[in-house]
Amino acid sequence: EPEVTQTPSHQVTQMGQEVILRCVPISNHLYFYWYRQILGQKVEFLVSFYNNEISEKSEIFDDQFSVERPDGSNFTLKIRSTKLEDSAMYFCASTSRGADTQYFGPGTRLTVL
Amino acid sequence: QKEVEQNSGPLSVPEGAIASLNCTYSDRGSQSFFWYRQYSGKSPELIMSIYSNGDKEDGRFTAQLNKASQYVSLLIRDSQPSDSATYLCAVWGGATNKLIFGTGTLLAVQP
Repeated sequence: EPEVTQTPSHQVTQMGQEVILRCVPISNHLYFYWYRQILGQKVEFLVSFYNNEISEKSEIFDDQFSVERPDGSNFTLKIRSTKLEDSAMYFCASTSRGADTQYFGPGTRLTVL
Repeated sequence: QKEVEQNSGPLSVPEGAIASLNCTYSDRGSQSFFWYRQYSGKSPELIMSIYSNGDKEDGRFTAQLNKASQYVSLLIRDSQPSDSATYLCAVWGGATNKLIFGTGTLLAVQP
């Protein structure tokens, strides 16, 4: 069964460093998302991406964040200068149609020291 | 602020009992409703989706939607210890095209 994959599973970085989180969505899906979950808190929407552009972003997704679909399969989230409060699980999700079920990847645990 | 609300629990039920999980949402224009299960340290895993008023059954799970009351529920019959997890209610549509999650209800099924 097709699934969303994410790499790395765990990323440790120093404050101020850049990180790139990678995702491979399900191959025939057209809508891509990033969510984050700070430990003990709820899953929060970061950004949605459709037709090679951002369709919606949250207030969390400030100028330090960017997304890219560099080729036909990968979808990346870049944090330019990480802060301690960026430590969280980051989930990628995809769906074939906006209203339909979003399938989540296993997540990347980001730890900022 | 568009919200999805759930009782955080924990909800403790004995093995074999019915677990009832509830969720309310504030955006009347919401169109799609989902229940995800999340084990500690893992990603959300879809349990059920429901799009229209009424009940939808899938095995031991039944989702119920009442748009007039802005209420979604999930019933788990014959609860098993392996059902112990956090159950996330998520809502899509209305003012925004993104999933809005509740804080989740922690379910503990006692053997």
